[in-house]
Amino acid sequence: AQRVTQPEKLLSVFKGAPVELKCNYSYSGSPELFWYVQYSRQRLQLLLRHISRESIKGFTADLNKGETSFHLKKPFAQEEDSAMYYCALSGGYQKVTFGTGTKLQVIP
Amino acid sequence: GAVVSQHPSWVICKSGTSVKIECRSLDFQATTMFWYRQFPKQSLMLMATSNEGSKATYEQGVEKDKFLINHASLTLSTLTVTSAHPEDSSFYICSADSPVGTDTQYFGPGTRLTVL
Repeated sequence: AQRVTQPEKLLSVFKGAPVELKCNYSYSGSPELFWYVQYSRQRLQLLLRHISRESIKGFTADLNKGETSFHLKKPFAQEEDSAMYYCALSGGYQKVTFGTGTKLQVIP
Repeated sequence: GAVVSQHPSWVICKSGTSVKIECRSLDFQATTMFWYRQFPKQSLMLMATSNEGSKATYEQGVEKDKFLINHASLTLSTLTVTSAHPEDSSFYICSADSPVGTDTQYFGPGTRLTVL
């Protein structure tokens, strides 16, 4: 079975502070991991995926197979980063499992 | 917490037949539900937005006559893949907007469709 855990429902940080949104997963094979973002009830958007290893809007995420984690990080939070963030895992047969989401609130 | 279910979780059908997938919000009312499709090695693709009591809004490139969406009640949206072809084989997932006052979307567990 595949499972994604986002332990924080809400994360509040001050503008300019570092951000880390936690994501842990459970999967027996080699997973493909994603972070999706949803701004103020707009449609869900792909933020980044682990295989591309790129930085989008200053966010990065590294897959740590030892800790089965894929935490999303940004060194300096901006107000426009306030949104809902979902971690997702794609396993066999393209089955996708989402975490429950973390609301990031950046305080001016 | 709020739960969204999908039925069936896995379906195999013959080419040319139609398949219906159900998405239910189990303990809350969802005025808006979303249908997504997962392609291999790609990110999730939004197919359509389903609003209770009105016609679904389809994304560009999604055939509305092929992927029929009905949102007849506040707890149920259905996606019917008509005249299915092998290229329709995919993983389909729905999500539901959260109850008023929260910003969360709740995702169903998904349905794997295999068309032979």
